Amino acid sequence: KAGVTQTPRYLIKTRGQQVTLSCSPISGHRSVSWYQQTPGQGLQFLFEYFSETQRNKGNFPGRFSGRQFSNSRSEMNVSTLELGDSALYLCASGKAGDGEQYFGPGTRLTVT
Amino acid sequence: KNQVEQSPQSLIILEGKNCTLQCNYTVSPFSNLRWYKQDTGRGPVSLTIMTFSENTKSNGRYTATLDADTKQSSLHITASQLSDSASYICVVIFTGGGNKLTFGTGTQLKVEL
Repeated sequence: KAGVTQTPRYLIKTRGQQVTLSCSPISGHRSVSWYQQTPGQGLQFLFEYFSETQRNKGNFPGRFSGRQFSNSRSEMNVSTLELGDSALYLCASGKAGDGEQYFGPGTRLTVT
Repeated sequence: KNQVEQSPQSLIILEGKNCTLQCNYTVSPFSNLRWYKQDTGRGPVSLTIMTFSENTKSNGRYTATLDADTKQSSLHITASQLSDSASYICVVIFTGGGNKLTFGTGTQLKVEL
């Protein structure tokens, strides 16, 4: 069974640009959650989608948005990038939002 | 503010030795507490999940305990191996206003020969 995949794995952007990250969950999983990981703040919850609806949202500015498609694949978008957005962005999928979650390898975003 | 604090921040032990990692939380109410292992450059992998009513949960050489009264959890690693070198993250699921996850900053464990 294939695991959670994230694309791209690495990305370099400049301030002010926008970026879209993609996550393909494990087959059969309908919940997809996104997290930001930085050395200073650790892992922080961005948002969770379940059956194409955002079910939970963390404390991030509106520049961070996401969506989920009917095949459960999810995208995360960050607009007007700031240097502080440099981080590892992790996606996790699960059968239900409060159960076991399986993480992807992450996308390393560097903003210069 | 709901918080999860882990100690120690980092730890170095010799192969074959046991160790215990600590997690103190103020998140309330919560539905479950999880321990994850994250190898460098990879996503976290779940080790244990405990509901608020469980006291202990084992997964091979990993044993997690939970004391809901004192709001403390620990992860005990038995007979450590070089492959145990990783970051261990405690996560508490806050049930007030949806299932929001609060992460600890992790304990960086290094196992040496």
